[in-house]
Amino acid sequence: DGGITQSPKYLFRKEGQNVTLSCEQNLNHDAMYWYRQDPGQGLRLIYYSQIVNDFQKGDIAEGYSVSREKKESFPLTVTSAQKNPTAFYLCATLGEVNTQYFGPGTRLTVL
Amino acid sequence: SQQGEEDPQALSIQEGENATMNCSYKTSINNLQWYRQNSGRGLVHLILIRSNEREKHSGRLRVTLDTSKKSSSLLITASRAADTASYFCATDEYGGSTLGRLYFGRGTQLTVWP
Repeated sequence: DGGITQSPKYLFRKEGQNVTLSCEQNLNHDAMYWYRQDPGQGLRLIYYSQIVNDFQKGDIAEGYSVSREKKESFPLTVTSAQKNPTAFYLCATLGEVNTQYFGPGTRLTVL
Repeated sequence: SQQGEEDPQALSIQEGENATMNCSYKTSINNLQWYRQNSGRGLVHLILIRSNEREKHSGRLRVTLDTSKKSSSLLITASRAADTASYFCATDEYGGSTLGRLYFGRGTQLTVWP
C-alpha cells in the first residue's frame, strides 16, 4: 500500500449522519483520487484533485464532498445526501507514467 | 464509457497451471495497465503496456495488447496459491483531458488451489 494511509479501516454510519474518510500520502504526488468499489464491481471515480486547492467531480460525486488544503491530504466526506453509501472506498495518488498508487481502503457500513 | 471489461469473471485453477485473463475496452488509449487486489485491500500496480507495444513481460507475468481489437490479455505462468486475488485492467483515454484518469473493469477473480 506504499506511502498512502487511509483511516479508519472500518466505519459505521447511522442514517442521516455525515462521516469523513481520511487519506494521507507521503509520496509527494500532486494528483489524488477517490474511488468507490461495490461487490463484484470495478472502481468508480468519485472525486479527483490534480493540485492543492483544486478538485473536480468524477462520475458519481453526488452525496460526497472533498477538500484539498494540503498536498498530503485529501479527505472525503460522505454526506447524508448519499442514499446508499455502504461500500469500500479507495484513495489513490498518481505516480510516474500514469500509474496509480492505492491506499488500503476504508469499508463503510450504514447501520 | 471507456470502462474495460475483463473475462472471465472468475477463474479457478491448480497450482502450477497458467492463468489467462482478458480485457476489452472501447476507445483509443495511450496505455493499458493491470492491477491486482487481494481481498479487502487496495490495488497494486502490476504492469503497464503502451499502445505502441504488443507484448511485455515482468517475472511470471506476460501482457499482450492488440489495439486493432481493443483487447489485452494477462498471463500468469506457473501460478501459486499466493496469486489468488482479483485482477483489474485499467485504461486511460487517448486525448483525455483529465490527468491520470483511469477506467477500471470489474475484474477477474482468480483462485489458485494448492
